Amino acid sequence: RKEVEQDPGPFNVPEGATVAFNCTYSNSASQSFFWYRQDCRKEPKLLMSVYSSGNEDGRFTAQLNRASQYISLLIRDSKLSDSATYLCVVNIGIYNQGGKLIFGQGTELSVKP
Amino acid sequence: NAGVMQNPRHLVRRRGQEARLRCSPMKGHSHVYWYRQLPEEGLKFMVYLQKENIIDESGMPKERFSAEFPKEGPSILRIQQVVRGDSAAYFCASSPELAGPGEQFFGPGTRLTVL
Repeated sequence: RKEVEQDPGPFNVPEGATVAFNCTYSNSASQSFFWYRQDCRKEPKLLMSVYSSGNEDGRFTAQLNRASQYISLLIRDSKLSDSATYLCVVNIGIYNQGGKLIFGQGTELSVKP
Repeated sequence: NAGVMQNPRHLVRRRGQEARLRCSPMKGHSHVYWYRQLPEEGLKFMVYLQKENIIDESGMPKERFSAEFPKEGPSILRIQQVVRGDSAAYFCASSPELAGPGEQFFGPGTRLTVL
């Protein structure tokens, strides 16, 4: 079983659609959680951290369920510029002391006009 | 504040040669990480270093690969006697001494092609 699993997609959606990505992780000792985006296999860029209480940044909402080891990302009113690969990422290091990131395979999103 | 810098951006080597990849972390960052992304695959952790110390090298291949982060200068990922299977994008990331929940900031990567 992969440590971080995502639906690889691709997700093809029209502009303005709402799209949801799901992710599960296997290591219950995981300390912190993130969504990164990667454009055309360039460097991953941090989109947002994910907290148990849920957090929102504009059109993006992330949720974490530690009990079921599940992470989600919701994108509302999708834009053409949202087209990218979205990476679910888990850090199993000690909080505040670094640690390796474990990446999911990524979910490809294509937003069409 | 410059981001994470990596050079070269593209590197071509013939089988059997050595490849040296360099990474300068963001100013104020003392933790460096190397990741590899093979064609059509996700990013995989290789090694985690702090100044002059290897903290976690659990993702490093047992042979031909080594990494260092000296007191002065950039971190170096060294691949000896490269083979075609080493062709990949190698990303370096850094984080500060007292990070938040562990986010890391990535450089643009070095794309290694082995002929």
